[in-house]
Amino acid sequence: DTGVSQDPRHKITKRGQNVTFRCDPISEHNRLYWYRQTLGQGPEFLTYFQNEAQLEKSRLLSDRFSAERPKGSFSTLEIQRTEQGDSAMYLCASSMDIPQPQHFGDGTRLSIL
Amino acid sequence: ELKVEQNPLFLSMQEGKNYTIYCNYSTTSDRLYWYRQDPGKSLESLFVLLSNGAVKQEGRLMASLDTKARLSTLHITAAVHDLSATYFCAVDSSSNTGKLIFGQGTTLQVKP
Repeated sequence: DTGVSQDPRHKITKRGQNVTFRCDPISEHNRLYWYRQTLGQGPEFLTYFQNEAQLEKSRLLSDRFSAERPKGSFSTLEIQRTEQGDSAMYLCASSMDIPQPQHFGDGTRLSIL
Repeated sequence: ELKVEQNPLFLSMQEGKNYTIYCNYSTTSDRLYWYRQDPGKSLESLFVLLSNGAVKQEGRLMASLDTKARLSTLHITAAVHDLSATYFCAVDSSSNTGKLIFGQGTTLQVKP
């Protein structure tokens, strides 16, 4: 069990640029989640995949955000035309079936200049 | 819409003391999770509470769930410095997605 892996750990970009983050879940986990965490707050749910199907998206996920999980393995989260308000830690988590706990990666910290 | 509130948000305590963190939530759920987060690190699962009256213990930490009161507690016994971290409760009120709604977190600082 190598844990949930996220890449990159830190991304600095200029406002208006596109960014893409990658998440590699624990291999036997069929559920994958993306959350966003800002300083001093708990994580906020963004989206959920079961295998390759994206089954739920938060209202927080504007049309500038898109997530994929091709072949039900790794997942990517893309943010287009980044804005200052996108600065946050983006966390990926994976799990077996409910009610098993979600295992979180170390996150990607996004800083918008 | 489900809301999860923790209190206190910040707790400074001396080693050896006992204290309790409270987690209140607004809608019915029987799946509640506690996580620990160290600065700059990810979240580590501590407890999974699945039914009314559930109690789980690990070392100096004990968590309980009262689904009727919509309340979970995390009790710290004889705190030690290594317990300094931020603790989050999270509630799953979904039917089958596992979507978690987190509290704001309680930052615990244990002083020698």
